[in-house]
Amino acid sequence: AQKVTQAQTEISVVEKEDVTLDCVYETRDTTYYLFWYKQPPSGELVFLIRRNSFDEQNEISGRYSWNFQKSTSSFNFTITASQVVDSAVYFCALSEAGAGNQFYFGTGTSLTVIP
Amino acid sequence: DAGVIQSPRHEVTEMGQEVTLRCKPISGHNSLFWYRQTMMRGLELLIYFNNNVPIDDSGMPEDRFSAKMPNASFSTLKIQPSEPRDSAVYFCASRAGMNTGELFFGEGSRLTVL
Repeated sequence: AQKVTQAQTEISVVEKEDVTLDCVYETRDTTYYLFWYKQPPSGELVFLIRRNSFDEQNEISGRYSWNFQKSTSSFNFTITASQVVDSAVYFCALSEAGAGNQFYFGTGTSLTVIP
Repeated sequence: DAGVIQSPRHEVTEMGQEVTLRCKPISGHNSLFWYRQTMMRGLELLIYFNNNVPIDDSGMPEDRFSAKMPNASFSTLKIQPSEPRDSAVYFCASRAGMNTGELFFGEGSRLTVL
C-alpha cells in the first residue's frame, strides 16, 4: 500500500492563480514527520518544509503555505499567486519514527504555471 | 558547508560495461540513501545505510546492482554489467540522525546506457 499518495499527477494554472497540491499519508505511528520537496526542471531535489506529527499548526513562508490535518491524514501545499518559477515537480514524503529510518516519497505532482 | 557531492554528473556507457557512481555525504550525517529516478517509475529507493551499515536493500533491482559504504564519508553504487534499462538519474542523499530530519540530496548522476 502506498504510504504517501499524491493523487494529482499534473496540474496547470495560469500565472497569479493560487494552486493547492494534495498529499495524503498513511501511518500507524504516533510520531512521524512529513516533508515537501521541489524538483525544478534543472533536476535537483530541494527541501521545502518538515512537519512533525505533534505540530498541527499551519505554516506560511512567503507565497507558500502548508495545511497539516491529522484528522484527514493530509498535508497539503498551497502556492499563492503562482509564478512561472514555481513550475516543477513537487514531492510529499513521510518518515516514521519507528521505521528504522525509512523515508517514503509520493509519486509527485507536476505543476506547470502558464505565463 | 558542502552539500552532498555526487560524481560523475553524467555518464554515457555501452551495454555490458561496469558503472560506478560515487557519493560523499554531508559531514556528520549518519544515514545515506541511494535513489533512482525514471519517467516510468518515478523516484525509487534502492538502498539506505545507517552508520555505514546497509539496512534495507530491497529496492536494489537485481544482482547486477551493489552498493558499499566503506566509511562515513564515501559510498558507491555499482552496476555490472549495465543494461539500457538502467538509464536513469541516480540520486544520493544523506540525513542527520534517525527518522527526524530531512534528506539532503546531491545533484544526481545521469546515466545513459547505450
